[in-house]
Amino acid sequence: GNSVTQMEGPVTLSEEAFLTINCTYTATGYPSLFWYVQYPGEGLQLLLKATKADDKGSNKGFEATYRKETTSFHLEKGSVQVSDSAVYFCALSDTDSWGKFQFGAGTQVVVTP
Amino acid sequence: EPEVTQTPSHQVTQMGQEVILRCVPISNHLYFYWYRQILGQKVEFLVSFYNNEISEKSEIFDDRFSVERPDGSNFTLKIRSTKLEDSAMYFCASSGRQPNTGELFFGEGSRLTVL
Repeated sequence: GNSVTQMEGPVTLSEEAFLTINCTYTATGYPSLFWYVQYPGEGLQLLLKATKADDKGSNKGFEATYRKETTSFHLEKGSVQVSDSAVYFCALSDTDSWGKFQFGAGTQVVVTP
Repeated sequence: EPEVTQTPSHQVTQMGQEVILRCVPISNHLYFYWYRQILGQKVEFLVSFYNNEISEKSEIFDDRFSVERPDGSNFTLKIRSTKLEDSAMYFCASSGRQPNTGELFFGEGSRLTVL
């Protein structure tokens, strides 16, 4: 079946450091790929998405490129802020499903001043 | 900005009891979902709901679970005969269009503790 694997956390960084969170997936067909973020005490919010190979999703300085050849969707940000401290979830959605997203385990990111 | 709201934020119940978790999806959305996250584990799909019926459900969604949209605004998850392993954060989500390429909007979650 479909699945998502992302790097374990927590990831601790200093402000202005470069952030990468690895995400790889296994899927049949042509899934859409997503990064969701969960700030403390809040629900999951869509950060960015890509619906086909080679698409790049971007938002709030974060980027991820849908790489079909490596089945990856790594999240990057060039200069993190304390406010980026959160849990980040990689997810995929089957083309034939009805919102049945497969989520990764989540990666906690802690940014220190 | 429209949002998905969930109540209660935290529910504590005794094993064997019934609980109802409530959600108010975004008003013009058509697709509704429940997910759950056991502490320290992945967010897992439970069920999707469209046009007043279940579209898809996971193996977690056994016959103790049911969903209902009793009126035009609420979407509820009922768990009968609760078990210790039902303890989790339950997230409601909604989508305005076919979700495989669209965004799911999540509520803040309802934490269920079964003692």
